[in-house]
Amino acid sequence: AQKITQTQPGMFVQEKEAVTLDCTYDTSDQSYGLFWYKQPSSGEMIFLIYQGSYDEQNATEGRYSLNFQKARKSANLVISASQLGDSAMYFCAMREGPGNYGQNFVFGPGTRLSVLP
Amino acid sequence: DTAVSQTPKYLVTQMGNDKSIKCEQNLGHDTMYWYKQDSKKFLKIMFSYNNKELIINETVPNRFSPKSPDKAHLNLHINSLELGDSAVYFCASSQGLGSYNEQFFGPGTRLTVL
Repeated sequence: AQKITQTQPGMFVQEKEAVTLDCTYDTSDQSYGLFWYKQPSSGEMIFLIYQGSYDEQNATEGRYSLNFQKARKSANLVISASQLGDSAMYFCAMREGPGNYGQNFVFGPGTRLSVLP
Repeated sequence: DTAVSQTPKYLVTQMGNDKSIKCEQNLGHDTMYWYKQDSKKFLKIMFSYNNKELIINETVPNRFSPKSPDKAHLNLHINSLELGDSAVYFCASSQGLGSYNEQFFGPGTRLTVL
């Protein structure tokens, strides 16, 4: 079964507008971490933001924020004021607690974001 | 200073050959990983080492053998390369295995098997 689902294979957004990239996850663990990574066309994987399952507040990092809805098991990434340089693949990932070595760091299929001028 | 480095960046080789990809991290992390990203951009973990010990060995053909000479290095050796091995291979590291430990990725090695 898919642990991480990203239902939007591709998204378009106008420059300077906000965009939400969806991510839902599946776990029975109480302790887990959720991560978003950006992969531009150059290929490197860039860590963006982290949300812990016990964190009560939504994580924010500059223009990135994570809309964490634990009961719905969703961890959507919100990018405010999109820039052309935000065009990239975005991956949602989950890491369950250290006791689950076999489930270490699962990635979703990714969403390709294109920012239009 | 590069945190996680991989060499080579590109690797083109013939079927049946043996090749190695090297990975080094200067972050002082305890845990290192190898991932394979296929042509559809799907990322899948292959191996994980913690303090030089193998922690995760996903269903990867035994032609793939990781070697960790010390905590800062995790190399990947591939025997008898096949066409299906063509992919981008990423090395990554994290401070530990906790659910809060983000991973830092190397730049990737694009392997093309002809």
